Amino acid sequence: GAVVSQHPSWVICKSGTSVKIECRSLDFQATTMFWYRQFPKQSLMLMATSNEGSKATYEQGVEKDKFLINHASLTLSTLTVTSAHPEDSSFYICSARDPGRGGYTFGSGTRLTVV
Amino acid sequence: KQEVTQIPAALSVPEGENLVLNCSFTDSAIYNLQWFRQDPGKGLTSLLLIQSSQREQTSGRLNASLDKSSGRSTLYIAASQPGDSATYLCAVNYNQGGKLIFGQGTELSVKP
Repeated sequence: GAVVSQHPSWVICKSGTSVKIECRSLDFQATTMFWYRQFPKQSLMLMATSNEGSKATYEQGVEKDKFLINHASLTLSTLTVTSAHPEDSSFYICSARDPGRGGYTFGSGTRLTVV
Repeated sequence: KQEVTQIPAALSVPEGENLVLNCSFTDSAIYNLQWFRQDPGKGLTSLLLIQSSQREQTSGRLNASLDKSSGRSTLYIAASQPGDSATYLCAVNYNQGGKLIFGQGTELSVKP
């Protein structure tokens, strides 16, 4: 099946700095990718839908200027957490639709810790 | 509002037992439904995908059923093993290529 590669798997950054998370579709093109956030012991919360060549669509309550999404190619979407603060510490996961089998395939996630 | 609910929230069983995880959704006009497994600190692994026209899908010891009219899906795990311990998530898709709506998950623990 289709594979989505997400990097880094974990990152620790200082408060006030920015962090970029990459999500790549391997061996397939993804015109749309999805970014989720997950708090401990909770389910996934959709943050935004990333569209290749156009602006991302953000869910209600998600700050566009805080979470910058860029989908510059058919195989790469990036999420940049700008001016990170401890409350941004979380698990971030990306996903894309599997064109071969249908359904969705997910990246391995990124654990962000802001100190 | 389209919502997905999973019960129970947590389940602990002895090794070898057969078990059923439940998922219900409020809007029955689904496109498809997908079951995932998530190990602690990891991403999601797709287990089974059921299209709206299907009633069940099987993969090894796993069987997922879908009853659109009642807004329910079940994931049946046969002869459970300690390696099955994980959180199981049900997600509903209402449009091809659209976003998934997730349940809260069932945390399964299989004791040796």
